[in-house]
Amino acid sequence: EAGVAQSPRYKIIEKRQSVAFWCNPISGHATLYWYQQILGQGPKLLIQFQNNGVVDDSQLPKDRFSAERLKGVDSTLKIQPAKLEDSAVYLCASSSGNQPQHFGDGTRLSIL
Amino acid sequence: AQTVTQSQPEMSVQEAETVTLSCTYDTSESDYYLFWYKQPPSRQMILVIRQEAYKQQNATENRFSVNFQKAAKSFSLKISDSQLGDAAMYFCAYRSEGSNYQLIWGAGTKLIIKP
Repeated sequence: EAGVAQSPRYKIIEKRQSVAFWCNPISGHATLYWYQQILGQGPKLLIQFQNNGVVDDSQLPKDRFSAERLKGVDSTLKIQPAKLEDSAVYLCASSSGNQPQHFGDGTRLSIL
Repeated sequence: AQTVTQSQPEMSVQEAETVTLSCTYDTSESDYYLFWYKQPPSRQMILVIRQEAYKQQNATENRFSVNFQKAAKSFSLKISDSQLGDAAMYFCAYRSEGSNYQLIWGAGTKLIIKP
């Protein structure tokens, strides 16, 4: 089966600019997660979707971050405006039921 | 709240030898899952092995095995016959039963394989 697809792989922007990431989960996976992973740390959950509904966005900085999963399949995560501390790898994962999460390759974001 | 602790920021092992990565966790729950994930440099996070807390038998996957000590809340990963391709960050993760399947992550251990 095809894995979790993410794009772009790398993105460099200046602070205060906006950026968007895209994720296409494994076919049939109802649950989709966005994580932020700062270098040398474990992943931090930003938002979890079940189909097209938000399950948990308690750690999403809503003043600058937004995410959507309109048709319950692919998802976009947006940052506007970006800050220096947003430099990180953004991981998307998906799962089905109580099965383990499968991850994409991630997007490495650098803020200048 | 549950926590996961990986006390070894970095470990190194000679190729073909055995290494054990430590993980401890704190929980008051009796039903849960534990996972080890591997993240090679600039590559995808992949599942190495998982353990259901209700199972007494330790999980194994080829050269990877765990030592699950439920009473001690310990979940170590043993890698036998280490290979160069095993070099990566290894993350231990905990998942409650009925927690929206969210993972609680350790800080990771960087594994270096010496040729």
